[in-house]
Amino acid sequence: NAGVMQNPRHLVRRRGQEARLRCSPMKGHSHVYWYRQLPEEGLKFMVYLQKENIIDESGMPKERFSAEFPKEGPSILRIQQVVRGDSAAYFCASSPETRSFGPLSQYFGPGTRLTVL
Amino acid sequence: GQSLEQPSEVTAVEGAIVQINCTYQTSGFYGLSWYQQHDGGAPTFLSYNGLDGLEETGRFSSFLSRSDSYGYLLLQELQMKDSASYFCAVRDRQAGTALIFGKGTTLSVSS
Repeated sequence: NAGVMQNPRHLVRRRGQEARLRCSPMKGHSHVYWYRQLPEEGLKFMVYLQKENIIDESGMPKERFSAEFPKEGPSILRIQQVVRGDSAAYFCASSPETRSFGPLSQYFGPGTRLTVL
Repeated sequence: GQSLEQPSEVTAVEGAIVQINCTYQTSGFYGLSWYQQHDGGAPTFLSYNGLDGLEETGRFSSFLSRSDSYGYLLLQELQMKDSASYFCAVRDRQAGTALIFGKGTTLSVSS
């Protein structure tokens, strides 16, 4: 059973370009979370999606950032007109369900390291 | 708001015991989790406390005191491979199902 997959693992973009980060959840998981991690920092929640629905995007910047999780295919985090401050590691996590209490088994992918030149 | 505090660095030698503390402030509380991250790789789940007390999983244990908004991760019989970053994380009502992470504690184990 493959784990959470993310691609690309490393992405270099120039300022003003677009970045597309992909996440394929674990088999059987229908919930996807995106987190951003700056150097020497913890992971910060960005957005939570279920198939074809954005459930919570409170951690995502209002401009330039968007996310989707289509019925078929991976979840995509899209960053338009990237700036140097977008350089970070972006992690995707998936879970099979939501529970009101408990560890909410989130499984993390290996991350995409975005570098903006 | 939500915040978690943990030490930035801890050093220890092989075979020793180390405790990493975490204090949190949340609006509502749905448990404290611990994650391990090696060299910026995928965070992996270590332990969870939903109720007060100690949870033991092999060499790792985690403790929670909800009245003190405090928990810790205890690592015993340290090995070199335990050198990593350790994050405490909470869920709370405001965040919904997402995890709120502390900034992490870098553990360095020397021989």
